[in-house]
Amino acid sequence: TQLLEQSPQFLSIQEGENLTVYCNSSSVFSSLQWYRQEPGEGPVLLVTVVTGGEVKKLKRLTFQFGDARKDSSLHITAAQPGDTGLYLCAGTTGGSYIPTFGRGTSLIVHP
Amino acid sequence: NAGVTQTPKFQVLKTGQSMTLQCAQDMNHNSMYWYRQDPGMGLRLIYYSASEGTTDKGEVPNGYNVSRLNKREFSLRLESAAPSQTSVYFCAGSSGGAYNEQFFGPGTRLTVL
Repeated sequence: TQLLEQSPQFLSIQEGENLTVYCNSSSVFSSLQWYRQEPGEGPVLLVTVVTGGEVKKLKRLTFQFGDARKDSSLHITAAQPGDTGLYLCAGTTGGSYIPTFGRGTSLIVHP
Repeated sequence: NAGVTQTPKFQVLKTGQSMTLQCAQDMNHNSMYWYRQDPGMGLRLIYYSASEGTTDKGEVPNGYNVSRLNKREFSLRLESAAPSQTSVYFCAGSSGGAYNEQFFGPGTRLTVL
């Protein structure tokens, strides 16, 4: 069974702080996605990374795929209360219809 | 476009009752999925349908059945609900391929008493 380990599990910070969330595995993925889920809603796709070493930016969010395509990180600069939510990473190996999800990092940003 | 829709949004059942959760997508996705989400357990795959006419078991299929009615619709049935099936259920669609990006519905919160 492939596992995606996310850390930290919980994060509570003040508005304006920076933070990094990690997603690690011993498996190699052909692609990896990050999702954000707000309370009472379904996860929403933020980004897909596919190339080892790839960096993608989405406003204040920076996503990086590890060189070996086994890990990824999400960095948020100057966090805002609107960033509050559950962040999930998910990876897919080539040819599989089934993504592997991490258990998520629950982020709370206090005003 | 509505994306992925699910009905109902909330449901309370008694142990032993049956019900069907409905899911429909207008994104022309080939693949559709049913997940359950429980505190501390993350998203767990119940069943998926790689393409119209096919269904396969996921990680936690016991107590559930599915029907891929057509390309748009994928339903999940609980034949005899148990308290252990109390959860939030999400349907998702994907175009498949190398990326396998998932597009989720808003979820159904199910309580089994």
